[in-house]
Amino acid sequence: EPEVTQTPSHQVTQMGQEVILRCVPISNHLYFYWYRQILGQKVEFLVSFYNNEISEKSEIFDDQFSVERPDGSNFTLKIRSTKLEDSAMYFCASSRSRGGSNTGELFFGEGSRLTVL
Amino acid sequence: DQQVKQNSPSLSVQEGRISILNCDYTNSMFDYFLWYKKYPAEGPTFLISISSIKDKNEDGRFTVFLNKSAKHLSLHIVPSQPGDSAVYFCAAPKGQNFVFGPGTRLSVLP
Repeated sequence: EPEVTQTPSHQVTQMGQEVILRCVPISNHLYFYWYRQILGQKVEFLVSFYNNEISEKSEIFDDQFSVERPDGSNFTLKIRSTKLEDSAMYFCASSRSRGGSNTGELFFGEGSRLTVL
Repeated sequence: DQQVKQNSPSLSVQEGRISILNCDYTNSMFDYFLWYKKYPAEGPTFLISISSIKDKNEDGRFTVFLNKSAKHLSLHIVPSQPGDSAVYFCAAPKGQNFVFGPGTRLSVLP
């Protein structure tokens, strides 16, 4: 069964360093997302991406964050200068049709745990 | 701005009994709801959905009930199994993505 894969599974970094989290969405999906979950808190939307551009982003997704689809398979989240409060589990997701619609259910990867020291 | 609420952070149920997980929402314009299940160290996986034109959707042991007038939905799992122990998230569409509730941790005791 096709699945969303994410690397690395765990990354430890120093505050102020740049981090890139990688995702390979399901191959025939067109919509891509990043969510995060800070320990003990709810799953929060960061950004959605369609047709090579950001379609929606939350207030969390500030100038320190960027996303890119550098080739036909990868979808990356870059945090330019990490802060302590960026420590969280980051989930990539993809969907066949537009998220928020009744056929746009999201398929999540297993997550990348980011620890900022 | 908690548009989707799950007021019970945890629930314990005996194996074989019914588990009932509750979710309340504030936006009457929501027309579709989903339940996701999440095991530790894994991403959420889609479980079951319901459209607002229905009041019930059933898939095997899982049934979701929707009460639009009360802005309430519930997920029933019967019979509950130890493998059902996980965090369950209720979600509703918001723009081009979904907003998730805070989750309820279900523990099914053998």
